[in-house]
Parts: sequence; C-alpha cells; structure tokens
Amino acid sequence: NAGVTQTPKFQVLKTGQSMTLQCAQDMNHEYMSWYRQDPGMGLRLIHYSVGAGITDQGEVPNGYNVSRSTTEDFPLRLLSAAPSQTSVYFCASRDSTFYNEQFFGPGTRLTVL
Amino acid sequence: AQKVTQAQTEISVVEKEDVTLDCVYETRDTTYYLFWYKQPPSGELVFLIRRNSFDEQNEISGRYSWNFQKSTSSFNFTITASQVVDSAVYFCALVEWGGSEKLVFGKGTKLTVNP
Repeated sequence: NAGVTQTPKFQVLKTGQSMTLQCAQDMNHEYMSWYRQDPGMGLRLIHYSVGAGITDQGEVPNGYNVSRSTTEDFPLRLLSAAPSQTSVYFCASRDSTFYNEQFFGPGTRLTVL
Repeated sequence: AQKVTQAQTEISVVEKEDVTLDCVYETRDTTYYLFWYKQPPSGELVFLIRRNSFDEQNEISGRYSWNFQKSTSSFNFTITASQVVDSAVYFCALVEWGGSEKLVFGKGTKLTVNP
C-alpha cells in the first residue's frame, strides 16, 4: 500500500493563479480531510469528506473548494491564490470506525507570491 | 467548542533526561478522543496514541508514557531517557463524538534533545 499520497510536494504560485492539490489513498478509507499547517498554529481543518459525494467545511474553508467523486481521491482547489494561503497542506484519511487514527500524507509546501 | 492547549512552545533537554509535554483540553462532550502525533524534522506526521474519554488508564510504550486525567482535563506525554531521535514537534489533538470529523490540534511543542 502506498498509503496517502500528495502531489506536488512543492509549488510556487503567483497571486491570483489557481491550482489543484492532489490527494489519493489506496486504503479504501471513507473519511478524508485537508489540513493546513502554519508556523505556531498547529494544524487546522480546511474541508473534509465522509464518503464519495459528501463534503463539509472545517475551521478555515474560505478560498478553497473540494469535491469527492471517488473513494480514492480528494483534491483541494485554490481558485485564486492569495499570499495568506502560503502554508503546508496535509491530506489525511481514516476508516469508518469512529474515531480511528488518521493517516497523513507527506504534505505539499505551497508558496504564494 | 473544543480546544487544545499546549502551553510549552519549545523545550530543550540533554540526552537521557526525562521530559513531559503538557496537553490541556476543553470539551463539552462526555465522549471524545485524544491523540498525540509526532512531526520529525522530515515533516511527516506520525500517529503515537489514541485514547477515548472512558479509558483513563495510563499507557506505556517503551520510553513513552501517557497520563490521562479527566479531573484536570489533561493528557500529558512523557519521554523517559530522551534521545536525539526524539527531537520533533509533538501535537496533541481532540475530536468530540458529536463533532464529526473536526479533529482539533494544539499548536504543538517543539522538543529538541541535545547530545
């Protein structure tokens, strides 16, 4: 099993550009989440999904969109990047047993200039 | 709303010292789960332990031990005989039974173990 994979590992954007951070898992997990990590702030939940076709907002959803068309994939879209979105982004998944631990991907380091 | 406080921003110790990382949480729910994750300098997040609110037994895993006290809303983590490889940022996290997927993290404690 590859676990949770994220692409790209690093990305530099200009303000106003759009992009999609990819996340995939091969563990057949129903639950997937996106977090951002900023210095001194810990991890904050952006969006999450409890299954294909079902998504919901977390603590800091503004400026981000998600969709979940398959169990495996949970992409995070930045429609118009802003410098405030400079961060490290982590995708995570877990199975349906409440509340088993989440498995995290390796992260994507995003810089918005 | 749930909240996790890790008051120690940074801790520095010398190898072989024991060190305790504090975690204090707030929740209105009677059913909840607490976690500790480790983030080494390489950046990945490593799961260490999960504890539910009905299990107050302390746990020991090798040099790691956890002290869960509901009376003080604390879930502290102790590393015995610390090693350089323990250098990392450690996060405490909480999810409420009624909080769906909303896992809330503390801001983390950066532990540096010097040789």
